[in-house]
Amino acid sequence: GAVVSQHPSRVICKSGTSVKIECRSLDFQATTMFWYRQFPKQSLMLMATSNEGSKATYEQGVEKDKFLINHASLTLSTLTVTSAHPEDSSFYICSAQAGDRGRYDEQFFGPGTRLTVL
Amino acid sequence: TQLLEQSPQFLSIQEGENLTVYCNSSSVFSSLQWYRQEPGEGPVLLVTVVTGGEVKKLKRLTFQFGDARKDSSLHITAAQPGDTGLYLCAGDRRNYGGSQGNLIFGKGTKLSVKP
Repeated sequence: GAVVSQHPSRVICKSGTSVKIECRSLDFQATTMFWYRQFPKQSLMLMATSNEGSKATYEQGVEKDKFLINHASLTLSTLTVTSAHPEDSSFYICSAQAGDRGRYDEQFFGPGTRLTVL
Repeated sequence: TQLLEQSPQFLSIQEGENLTVYCNSSSVFSSLQWYRQEPGEGPVLLVTVVTGGEVKKLKRLTFQFGDARKDSSLHITAAQPGDTGLYLCAGDRRNYGGSQGNLIFGKGTKLSVKP
């Protein structure tokens, strides 16, 4: 159990275009989903936290108008990178948390999406 | 700033050797998780430690949470090439000023086990 999928796994786009990444919890309902960014040889940096049906909470320094997050259902969150630029190229990882599994419920991570902006 | 310092950053050992990875902080955590990440994939949860002083074993992996819940260690006995990967510790600050489910990640330890 606790499987999280991401789509697409890899995407290459031209500068100035927008890219949507989907994150799905396949076998549980995720009240909270998180979006991380990971640069090569570095750790995961939290970008934003999204709760189903409400606006996402963005970490300091993350532009909410550039990284649009929608958590419309308990099994799906999307991250849209708008007007992508080469510096947005990175590995984007989502995680999902059930929220009803006790005080110390874990985050389960998706396999990541490699975004390359040309 | 809440930081988790992981050491060593890189570790290259021969098959059969033992190793320990450390995760230290000046902050207290509700719980601490250890993950393993393969290149191009998301992190996979290995274990969650919750109670100060707790020790958990997962086959050849032994995880310990410090008494003060500020640090943790991962010990691997008789390492195998299949243990190669990036090991990440992450502390949950939920009950100590963090937002809901906010994990603070260490920078990771890149382990290479040579046959």
